[in-house]
Amino acid sequence: GQQVQQSPASLVLQEGENAELQCNFSSTATQLQWFYQSPGGSLVSLLSNPSGTKHTGRLTSTTVTKERRSSLHISSSQTTDSGTYLCAIDPNYNQGKLIFGQGTKLSIKP
Amino acid sequence: GALVYQYPRRTICKSGTSMRMECQAVGFQATSVAWYRQSPQKTFELIALSTVNSAIKYEQNFTQEKFPISHPNLSFSSMTVLNAYLEDRGLYLCGAWTGGSEVFFGKGTRLTVV
Repeated sequence: GQQVQQSPASLVLQEGENAELQCNFSSTATQLQWFYQSPGGSLVSLLSNPSGTKHTGRLTSTTVTKERRSSLHISSSQTTDSGTYLCAIDPNYNQGKLIFGQGTKLSIKP
Repeated sequence: GALVYQYPRRTICKSGTSMRMECQAVGFQATSVAWYRQSPQKTFELIALSTVNSAIKYEQNFTQEKFPISHPNLSFSSMTVLNAYLEDRGLYLCGAWTGGSEVFFGKGTRLTVV
């Protein structure tokens, strides 16, 4: 079945450093989204990026569809960036069925 | 703005009892509503997906008999966990799609089974 693999599983950085998160998926993804899950559990959509490069604020996502991988770059990390970052794909566009990776737990130290 | 409310945020139930959770989309017309569960140390698993003009579709390992869902319209959905046991504990999230790729998730209902 469909699989989404994220790496690293956890990442600890000093405030101000840049974070690079990876997502690999096993088959074609018509949609790919990055989510942030706060320590309390709430899930927020960060970026929808099925292909190419997208920026929002300090976040940059690059998805290479034919290589089935996506990355999320967080520049100048802040302590409030701490939490779990999840990559999810939708194999059938607009069907509302997301397959999530296991997530990368990011900890930013002051 | 567009929001998804979930209620309750946290609940504790005794093993073998049932509990109901609700999800409401506010500020937009949802075209799909999905329920997910995040069990301890696991990622999100899709329980069921409701799409406008289609019946509710349950994923493998999840059944209507265990997780009945009611939705008079896609702006409101409720799901019950029947005969909850330890393996049912976790964070239950409701996600609502706007018709494009945009999805809004509620803050979840965290279920503890004792």
